[in-house]
Amino acid sequence: DAGVIQSPRHEVTEMGQEVTLRCKPISGHDYLFWYRQTMMRGLELLIYFNNNVPIDDSGMPEDRFSAKMPNASFSTLKIQPSEPRDSAVYFCASTRTSGSPQYFGPGTRLTVT
Amino acid sequence: GNSVTQMEGPVTLSEEAFLTINCTYTATGYPSLFWYVQYPGEGLQLLLKATKADDKGSNKGFEATYRKETTSFHLEKGSVQVSDSAVYFCALSTGGGNKLTFGTGTQLKVEL
Repeated sequence: DAGVIQSPRHEVTEMGQEVTLRCKPISGHDYLFWYRQTMMRGLELLIYFNNNVPIDDSGMPEDRFSAKMPNASFSTLKIQPSEPRDSAVYFCASTRTSGSPQYFGPGTRLTVT
Repeated sequence: GNSVTQMEGPVTLSEEAFLTINCTYTATGYPSLFWYVQYPGEGLQLLLKATKADDKGSNKGFEATYRKETTSFHLEKGSVQVSDSAVYFCALSTGGGNKLTFGTGTQLKVEL
């Protein structure tokens, strides 16, 4: 299997611009997770989906962040408008069943100037 | 709530040295415990796991034992290699759920 695929790998944008991060989970995995990693706060779960339905979005920092999963093989995390404090590495992960180990993508390094 | 505490890094060792990275946790119920490893520029990979007390997870020479009495899951390896240089994360989940709680990570540097 190709593993979890994320794009782009790097994104540099200016403050105020819209940013869209993309994720393709492993085929057959019913759960998809979005994480943010920063030096200050470590790894934070932002949101997760089960069968394309958002289950827990309590980690989404504010209304500027939104996530969608239109089908089982694709998800987006959007930031609009972006701010410098959003600079981080964003990871997508997937898993087959509840409680099983999660498989992480390579991450998208976002820099907002 | 759930929390995971790891020893701060970086930990710098010579090749073939013994490794211990401490991890303790606080959780409601009976958690499953995990160690993930992150190599430079990559995402996290599951290294090993344990789902109940006294279980020992092992992989690639690494081991960790689920100690309920001390709420610990320390990572050990008898002889580290330069290729083990990475950041190691201890994590837990409870109730068969999906929300992983991660520690802050411990960077390991192995030198020749």
